Amino acid sequence: DTAVSQTPKYLVTQMGNDKSIKCEQNLGHDTMYWYKQDSKKFLKIMFSYNNKELIINETVPNRFSPKSPDKAHLNLHINSLELGDSAVYFCASSQDADSGNTIYFGEGSWLTVV
Amino acid sequence: DQQVKQNSPSLSVQEGRISILNCDYTNSMFDYFLWYKKYPAEGPTFLISISSIKDKNEDGRFTVFLNKSAKHLSLHIVPSQPGDSAVYFCAASAGWGTASKLTFGTGTRLQVTL
Repeated sequence: DTAVSQTPKYLVTQMGNDKSIKCEQNLGHDTMYWYKQDSKKFLKIMFSYNNKELIINETVPNRFSPKSPDKAHLNLHINSLELGDSAVYFCASSQDADSGNTIYFGEGSWLTVV
Repeated sequence: DQQVKQNSPSLSVQEGRISILNCDYTNSMFDYFLWYKKYPAEGPTFLISISSIKDKNEDGRFTVFLNKSAKHLSLHIVPSQPGDSAVYFCAASAGWGTASKLTFGTGTRLQVTL
């Protein structure tokens, strides 16, 4: 039973398209995240939501719009996809934003923009 | 600016021997450190953590050492097993209560050979 699940796992799309990646966690956590791992393998935080409210937005282009319909879901919508958006996107969650313990990651969504 | 550095992209160790993975950081405000393990096509999973009030934390075969003066931490795996073959990410944050602000290194790929 996957704790943090994200779909799709693989996505190949053309430049200019709009796409969404969905994420759900069944851990009862209050905080969810989107991380991006780029071609240089840097794993960087993009957004963080705590109880459906945005608490971190790390200089991400406004083509990226996260949406949290409830605290168990955090979806990532990307408009006008560009080649540089090709990366692995990881959804994650933690008990709350102030917790000093574990962030649980999803399996990743491999996005390729052609 | 890469605040968390893992300068060895890969490491090969024989089964049964010790694996030592290194991590350096530049931000003196970091005081909470974690190691994550990542298998191919999966998300990172939490392995072990240490706060700056300690210099060592042990969990079974895994021990993390922290040298604050050198801004260096290391993960020791003894004895190494083939199932330990994975990419290991070092991560750091400023403050015990900031799970939402982890900074990751680029990872070290560990290969444990028979």
